[in-house]
Amino acid sequence: AQSVTQLDSQVPVFEEAPVELRCNYSSSVSVYLFWYVQYPNQGLQLLLKYLSGSTLVKGINGFEAEFNKSQTSFHLRKPSVHISDTAEYFCALYNFNKFYFGSGTKLNVKP
Amino acid sequence: GAVVSQHPSWVICKSGTSVKIECRSLDFQATTMFWYRQFPKQSLMLMATSNEGSKATYEQGVEKDKFLINHASLTLSTLTVTSAHPEDSSFYICSAENRWGQGAEGGANVLTFGAGSRLTVL
Repeated sequence: AQSVTQLDSQVPVFEEAPVELRCNYSSSVSVYLFWYVQYPNQGLQLLLKYLSGSTLVKGINGFEAEFNKSQTSFHLRKPSVHISDTAEYFCALYNFNKFYFGSGTKLNVKP
Repeated sequence: GAVVSQHPSWVICKSGTSVKIECRSLDFQATTMFWYRQFPKQSLMLMATSNEGSKATYEQGVEKDKFLINHASLTLSTLTVTSAHPEDSSFYICSAENRWGQGAEGGANVLTFGAGSRLTVL
């Protein structure tokens, strides 16, 4: 069975502080992993993806994520957040022609 | 880049009427499109997988007679909510799958999402 767990439903952080959004997955086979961002009343926008190769993946808007197979994790990080990063972030796993989404983490950046 | 257009973005209808939502891939061919439903403060729930020229594959618990999906061309899929009721009110999001090399994303199976359609049934 495939599943994605996002441990934090909400993460408050001050502007210019670093942030890490946690994602763990469960799968019996190799997977592709993604992070998407959703702004209010909008669809999802791809931040970054891990398909193979280097375990450190860089995405748009200064975000990066590290694939850790032994810990089955794919945590999202940004060294310095901006107010504009306030949004909901979804971790997703792909295999067997389906995407499985985590429950989402709301990032609230405070001035 | 790869763009998926979803229309309408907002729709309000009376109970008992039907509503059609369109999902178009603008600069690539999408042999597969997905329809998701998102409840407030929850993640996306896959409703069905739509394949061009064939019947949609519905997830368990999704009523195929209520949520009619048509994928008539490589760039258009439609979701029709038939005889809508207030409990059908939700945010519906479509996505199109970019296969290897298609669209700006390229590489593996990347989903490009529409902006979503908020349905309110009175």
